[in-house]
Amino acid sequence: QQQVKQSPQSLIVQKGGISIINCAYENTAFDYFPWYQQFPGKGPALLIAIRPDVSEKKEGRFTISFNKSAKQFSLHIMDSQPGDSATYFCAASKQAGTALIFGKGTTLSVSS
Amino acid sequence: GAGVSQSPSNKVTEKGKDVELRCDPISGHTALYWYRQSLGQGLEFLIYFQGNSAPDKSGLPSDRFSAERTGGSVSTLTIQRTQQEDSAVYLCASSPPGLAGGSQYFGPGTRLTVT
Repeated sequence: QQQVKQSPQSLIVQKGGISIINCAYENTAFDYFPWYQQFPGKGPALLIAIRPDVSEKKEGRFTISFNKSAKQFSLHIMDSQPGDSATYFCAASKQAGTALIFGKGTTLSVSS
Repeated sequence: GAGVSQSPSNKVTEKGKDVELRCDPISGHTALYWYRQSLGQGLEFLIYFQGNSAPDKSGLPSDRFSAERTGGSVSTLTIQRTQQEDSAVYLCASSPPGLAGGSQYFGPGTRLTVT
């Protein structure tokens, strides 16, 4: 059973556009939701994270939107740049500091 | 400051051999995690340490896999009698204590190839 479902699998966006990646979860015990960015040959890097007591969190061009009732959360990348081309993973854990359950990843390509 | 480091960066081994993978967490980070990344299975949790004890080993795929952490710092993941399905990138992460404890910082990984 896949506990965190991520879509789309791949995404192509024009430079300056908005990239949107969605995740859905089943386990209502999850209460920490980070997003990671991974470049080829590198480990995942933490981008931004949210807890379910807020519906949105913004850091620079990156925004997480969180819908607790729908058990969904999404990453929005504003003004997408070619340097944003990478694989993005959503994740969830029952408690911050415990095991992360990852989505399958989204490969983003930003065309110039 | 220095990030999480892992060694070796690449390891090629023959089926049936044992391998040891090393992780040096960020200084001062109390929690340490091992994950495995493969094309078919994505990123999978293996085990996590709080200090030197492992409260969650639920992700270890078989008894051929074991891990230890000493001095609240360096950790070693050992795979005995390696199989071809063990081929993957093994990632280590660490996180600080306190309110920031949810933030896991990953190392570059060890790419293991079993021939």
